[in-house]
Amino acid sequence: QKEVEQNSGPLSVPEGAIASLNCTYSDRGSQSFFWYRQYSGKSPELIMFIYSNGDKEDGRFTAQLNKASQYVSLLIRDSQPSDSATYLCAVNERGANSKLTFGKGITLSVRP
Amino acid sequence: DAGVTQSPTHLIKTRGQQVTLRCSPKSGHDTVSWYQQALGQGPQFIFQYYEEEERQRGNFPDRFSGHQFPNYSSELNVNALLLGDSALYLCASSLKSGALNSPLHFGNGTRLTVT
Repeated sequence: QKEVEQNSGPLSVPEGAIASLNCTYSDRGSQSFFWYRQYSGKSPELIMFIYSNGDKEDGRFTAQLNKASQYVSLLIRDSQPSDSATYLCAVNERGANSKLTFGKGITLSVRP
Repeated sequence: DAGVTQSPTHLIKTRGQQVTLRCSPKSGHDTVSWYQQALGQGPQFIFQYYEEEERQRGNFPDRFSGHQFPNYSSELNVNALLLGDSALYLCASSLKSGALNSPLHFGNGTRLTVT
């Protein structure tokens, strides 16, 4: 059973701080890794995806991937109250881009 | 550029009934996947359609079936509804099954409540 684990939340940070969201996965053959943001009652919205080991930056967001440790993380710099949402980590199965295995998500709250 | 559109947005059904949910993919996308998201959980893969055929299926019973039309739009059908089928049903589209550079784009979902 392929699993994606996200560390238990909720996570609360003050405005302007760095929020660090972590995720581990069980399938060593996984090829691509995604972070989705989901506001309450809304659908998941893609924030970033990463395929190669290392860091990938996009604005205030940085995704980090370590395939040897089967670990992917998302850093949010200068956190804003509008970043308050549930963040879903997802991993694709090898050779199947559309079939994603999601974690349960972690709820982030940014305090003004 | 239209994104993924789903209908209806909300639906209330009774146990034992049947339901059909509809999805139009993002313009230029040819692959449609369906996910079920129960409250407090991450989305779970139901199945994926490409070239009008079911290509992959998750751990869902045969009560869940689907269809893809020549214009790439798709339907999800659920028969003999159970209370446990109450969830947010998400449609996601992408380009070319198996392509690594085509992340999923989700629609706004259909909230199904079974009473």
